[in-house]
Amino acid sequence: QPVLTQSSSASASLGSSVKLTCTLSSGHSSYIIAWHQQQPGKAPRYLMKLEGSGSYNKGSGVPDRFSGSSSGADRYLTISNLQSEDEADYYCETWDSNTHFPLVFGGGTKLTVL
Amino acid sequence: EVQLVQSGAEVKKPGESLKISCKGSGYSFTSYWIGWVRQMPGKGLEWMGIIYPGDSDTRYSPSFQGQVTISADKSISTAYLQWSSLKASDTAMYYCASRVRGYFDYWGQGTLVTVSS
Repeated sequence: QPVLTQSSSASASLGSSVKLTCTLSSGHSSYIIAWHQQQPGKAPRYLMKLEGSGSYNKGSGVPDRFSGSSSGADRYLTISNLQSEDEADYYCETWDSNTHFPLVFGGGTKLTVL
Repeated sequence: EVQLVQSGAEVKKPGESLKISCKGSGYSFTSYWIGWVRQMPGKGLEWMGIIYPGDSDTRYSPSFQGQVTISADKSISTAYLQWSSLKASDTAMYYCASRVRGYFDYWGQGTLVTVSS
């Protein structure tokens, strides 16, 4: 089954951009992932689906500042013009492309906005 | 508008049983998988299991197989997560989430379960 690897933390200044990475394990580099945001004390929120081609589909209400891209086994979430409310944990999710299960989450990246 | 509304916080003693719920609305409840996700204090998201309410097909993460039971009552658009004998290590926030587009795209607000003697 696939494994997702994320850096445990990241930081960037207010108004700047940050690129978070989610890496798929060997043999799973073509897998589709989803990005989720969890603000402090809140439930997770779906941000976008991201394919290996770099094509992405955002959820309703997700600001234009959020975008996705891909390179090989790496899936990226880029947040531009960082706002204070972007300080959150970000998780990636994937699933077996043939059987759909099991479902897998990355360990999450805690983003601090300086 | 798709909504998943979960039951309220619970405080239980070790060894007690518990069943928490997740009611879906705004979409065809029987047509999409709905799953449960655990988040222990200060930790990340863990997939526990998932059910297809249309035919009750249920899959579990190996880590949770035999530890919990997932069910659904399609007549009232509600999914359930239950324990027969709680342990202190079950203390966590539990989220339900639906897979309308093939991934977890709608999330419930969470149910906090505290198990303490």
